[in-house]
Amino acid sequence: EIVLTQSPGTLSLSPGERATLSCRASQNFGSSFLAWYQQKPGQAPRLLIYGASSRATGIPDRFSGSGSGTDFTLTISRLEPEDFAVYHCQQYGSSPSMYTFGQGTKLEIK
Amino acid sequence: QVQLQESGPGLVKPSETLSLTCTVSGASITDYSWSWIRQPPGKGLEWIAFVYYSGSTSYNPSLTSRGTISVDTSKNQFYLRLNSVTAADTAVYYCARAIFGRFDPWGQGTLVTVSS
Repeated sequence: EIVLTQSPGTLSLSPGERATLSCRASQNFGSSFLAWYQQKPGQAPRLLIYGASSRATGIPDRFSGSGSGTDFTLTISRLEPEDFAVYHCQQYGSSPSMYTFGQGTKLEIK
Repeated sequence: QVQLQESGPGLVKPSETLSLTCTVSGASITDYSWSWIRQPPGKGLEWIAFVYYSGSTSYNPSLTSRGTISVDTSKNQFYLRLNSVTAADTAVYYCARAIFGRFDPWGQGTLVTVSS
């Protein structure tokens, strides 16, 4: 079973700053199956990035994803007030079919 | 657009069975795969199970065979049953479309509390 470790646990930044969130996997897997989600309090998660670097429909271009192998990054180029939330990474493995989430990174206003 | 809505009891007694329904609108349930995911209060997300319209299923091994996911194509719904629940099963339960290894969209979630 692949374990995803997200860092940092909490990131304190100001609007307008750049945010860099990390997701590290315990073993290599296909980057086609790495996704990022944003979750605001009391809401369901929303898909931001899939295939490690493709933005989901309607996601602003200040959100970008990168990485391969075991190291993946979500970058928010210039933070807007609505971007402060919890971010989750998730991977899919096919043998057997299995989905795993990281523990989440909370992005809070400094 | 595709929308999902969870329904079911908000309170379940310990050792009993948790039963949830996810109603899909805006898409045929036969066109995609579907999943249940849960989030204990204040904690992270945990994938529970996956079902394809054909009935093919996959489960998180951490459930220790307590879970059953199924689909009713005539009602455009899918279901989760979780046996022998304990307080550790208290969580917000989400249903979601599983497409190419990711979840999109999600239902709004339903809180299930396990308590006597």
